[in-house]
Amino acid sequence: SQTIHQWPATLVQPVGSPLSLECTVEGTSNPNLYWYRQAAGRGLQLLFYSVGIGQISSEVPQNLSASRPQDRQFILSSKKLLLSDSGFYLCAWSRLAGGRINTQYFGPGTRLTVL
Amino acid sequence: GESVGLHLPTLSVQEGDNSIINCAYSNSASDYFIWYKQESGKGPQFIIDIRSNMDKRQGQRVTVLLNKTVKHLSLQIAATQPGDSAVYFCAESSHPTQGGSEKLVFGKGTKLTVNP
Repeated sequence: SQTIHQWPATLVQPVGSPLSLECTVEGTSNPNLYWYRQAAGRGLQLLFYSVGIGQISSEVPQNLSASRPQDRQFILSSKKLLLSDSGFYLCAWSRLAGGRINTQYFGPGTRLTVL
Repeated sequence: GESVGLHLPTLSVQEGDNSIINCAYSNSASDYFIWYKQESGKGPQFIIDIRSNMDKRQGQRVTVLLNKTVKHLSLQIAATQPGDSAVYFCAESSHPTQGGSEKLVFGKGTKLTVNP
């Protein structure tokens, strides 16, 4: 079966510090990978998605970047955090589309607080 | 712009009652819909999905209904239990473009509270 991991689970960082959040998927190959952010009491905002190694699409201009160094690894980064970067960050995966839309499955999330 | 939203932000029901959570969407090209359950501090959990060639789909204690005419989606939970208390999100997607990935558009969510 497939599993998705995220770490760390929680993180408190000062404004201006760097960020690196990691997501890995097990039990599948060539997944589509996604990073979402969820503000408190709100829905999910898609930040980045990737259909393959080194292929990253950004959905919104922001202070964050993403990388996919390996097939099942997705990293969310920032060089200098802003207060507005606080939120709940979720990684998700789906099977390769192949002309068919597939369900996205989410990881446990990382709670980021920028002070 | 295209959006997916919910009619009610909160829903409170008695244990054992049936719950109905509604969702409206505006993208007529949407052809795939998903319901997720999100408990506090956790990632969304897949509940059930439905494709646009169907009007109804049933799972264990849950039923999703799709009305494409009025662009409306609902989630019915039978015999609601305290463990069903969570925020429920609907999400919709349209067919991915060539070389692209399917993207889900999420509603804001409905908080379901089940009273014992």
